Amino acid sequence: AQRVTQPEKLLSVFKGAPVELKCNYSYSGSPELFWYVQYSRQRLQLLLRHISRESIKGFTADLNKGETSFHLKKPFAQEEDSAMYYCALSPYSDYKLSFGAGTTVTVRA
Amino acid sequence: DVKVTQSSRYLVKRTGEKVFLECVQDMDHENMFWYRQDPGLGLRLIYFSYDVKMKEKGDIPEGYSVSREKKERFSLILESASTNQTSMYLCASSSGVKRNSPLHFGNGTRLTVT
Repeated sequence: AQRVTQPEKLLSVFKGAPVELKCNYSYSGSPELFWYVQYSRQRLQLLLRHISRESIKGFTADLNKGETSFHLKKPFAQEEDSAMYYCALSPYSDYKLSFGAGTTVTVRA
Repeated sequence: DVKVTQSSRYLVKRTGEKVFLECVQDMDHENMFWYRQDPGLGLRLIYFSYDVKMKEKGDIPEGYSVSREKKERFSLILESASTNQTSMYLCASSSGVKRNSPLHFGNGTRLTVT
């Protein structure tokens, strides 16, 4: 069975500082990995996925199969980045998504 | 834009009641999911369905059942509500045509069982 671990429940950074949200996974096959975000009073939505290799709102994430990690990074945090972030994994052959416990990010002015 | 609508934003029920949570999506998606969201535990999959009348258990199906009689509607049923089922319930849908297409979530139903 797959598992997603987000070791930080809370993360507080100053505006303009770099931010990194950690995500580690355990899965024996080829996973597909995602980051979802939930802003205050909004529904949970997709932020980015590793197969797209894109940068969304300044965020990037690199899949490191050797370290089984998919950390989310942004070089300069903005106040509007304050939100709950979830890392999620889907087995290659499956539609189900397994989520981590989530990290609440607060960006202070 | 995909719209996933959950019928109730807040529900308060008594222990032992039968509870129905309804979810409707308007994008003709094949897959539908029910998750519960709890602080410190993240999202946990209760049940999902990849076609009409098809259902599969997720990670925490005990105490729940589901119904999918029409493609656009996926209902979660708490047969006999208990206080440990107090939670935020999220419905989601995704395309079954494109593998690993993103999940589109509803706004959630916050259920309190007293």
